[in-house]
Amino acid sequence: EPEVTQTPSHQVTQMGQEVILRCVPISNHLYFYWYRQILGQKVEFLVSFYNNEISEKSEIFDDQFSVERPDGSNFTLKIRSTKLEDSAMYFCASTVGLEQYFGPGTRLTVT
Amino acid sequence: EDKVVQSPLSLVVHEGDTVTLNCSYEVTNFRSLLWYKQEKKAPTFLFMLTSSGIEKKSGRLSSILDKKELFSILNITATQTGDSAVYLCAVEVPGSEKLVFGKGTKLTVNP
Repeated sequence: EPEVTQTPSHQVTQMGQEVILRCVPISNHLYFYWYRQILGQKVEFLVSFYNNEISEKSEIFDDQFSVERPDGSNFTLKIRSTKLEDSAMYFCASTVGLEQYFGPGTRLTVT
Repeated sequence: EDKVVQSPLSLVVHEGDTVTLNCSYEVTNFRSLLWYKQEKKAPTFLFMLTSSGIEKKSGRLSSILDKKELFSILNITATQTGDSAVYLCAVEVPGSEKLVFGKGTKLTVNP
């Protein structure tokens, strides 16, 4: 069964460093998303992406964040200068209809 | 503000019990309400509900939506230890593609 994959599963970085989280959405899906979940808190929407551009973003998704679909399969989230409060689980999701399918997540730890 | 409220936040039962998880929301004219099961990492899709009063069923799990009263329930019959997880309710916000999640209900099924 097709699934969303994400790499790495865990990333540890120092404050101020740039990180790139990678996702491979399900192949025939057209809409892509990033969500994050701070430990013990709700899953929160960050950004949606369609037709090679951002279609919606939340207030969390500030200038430190960017997304890209560099080729036909990968979808990346870049955080330019990480802060301690960026530590969270980051989930990629994709859909072709209404049901969003989530990847296994990348746990980002900023020290 | 909390647009999606789940209750209870935590529930401990014995194998074989039946449980009912609740989700109420403050979003009108939404397109869909979704239930996910989150074990260790990724939320895995369970149900998508769009119409009021129509029960969706998958094995021991079932769910129904009441659009008039703005709530949904997820029932699990004959619970098993493998049902232990956090169950997330999410609503698709009108005019948007994002999902708004509740805090989840943590279900623990003891042998």
